[in-house]
Amino acid sequence: EAQVTQNPRYLITVTGKKLTVTCSQNMNHEYMSWYRQDPGLGLRQIYYSMNVEVTDKGDVPEGYKVSRKEKRNFPLILESPSPNQTSLYFCASSFRGVQGVRTEAFFGQGTRLTVV
Amino acid sequence: GESVGLHLPTLSVQEGDNSIINCAYSNSASDYFIWYKQESGKGPQFIIDIRSNMDKRQGQRVTVLLNKTVKHLSLQIAATQPGDSAVYFCAENAGSNSGYALNFGKGTSLLVTP
Repeated sequence: EAQVTQNPRYLITVTGKKLTVTCSQNMNHEYMSWYRQDPGLGLRQIYYSMNVEVTDKGDVPEGYKVSRKEKRNFPLILESPSPNQTSLYFCASSFRGVQGVRTEAFFGQGTRLTVV
Repeated sequence: GESVGLHLPTLSVQEGDNSIINCAYSNSASDYFIWYKQESGKGPQFIIDIRSNMDKRQGQRVTVLLNKTVKHLSLQIAATQPGDSAVYFCAENAGSNSGYALNFGKGTSLLVTP
């Protein structure tokens, strides 16, 4: 089954304790990205990757890191989490279409992170 | 339709009626648009897409209309069913110069009543 898998689904952590949210896709997609979803603000892009070893900042990258060592995996790293990073996080992937990205994005089930 | 603010706009329809959800976009360079459905506790799910060289596209029970002149997008759901209750987002691709960037609207909550 084609899917994007995120882990963990729920996470409660303390301020300053490094954490990693994993994302894996089995569709051989070139593009992967991370979004956070907050009430009233909708989905906002954190980082994206156009291919292996190619990553770039989205709209709200502060406090986050990513890596793309393999095509299927795109982990999101919070080196020193803070309460304002409490949010619902989604990983997404898609094919690269003709003349750039022109295809739908497949989303994971989400990771609800609470930083206390 | 889509809007900013803490509360999502809500559209309430009776089962069997048609639903129309609206979305305004601002970037005239956007050339690809997608509608997503998000059920409670789940990630956004693709419904239908449309490219800027089209003004209408139909899927199963859904139709997307694109009016580039006024930068407006709509999603029509025919014979709305209880399973259609969800939050619906429009998303625009901001163009090749922005890399992989989908800009999402804030969402509209669709409530289907029996």
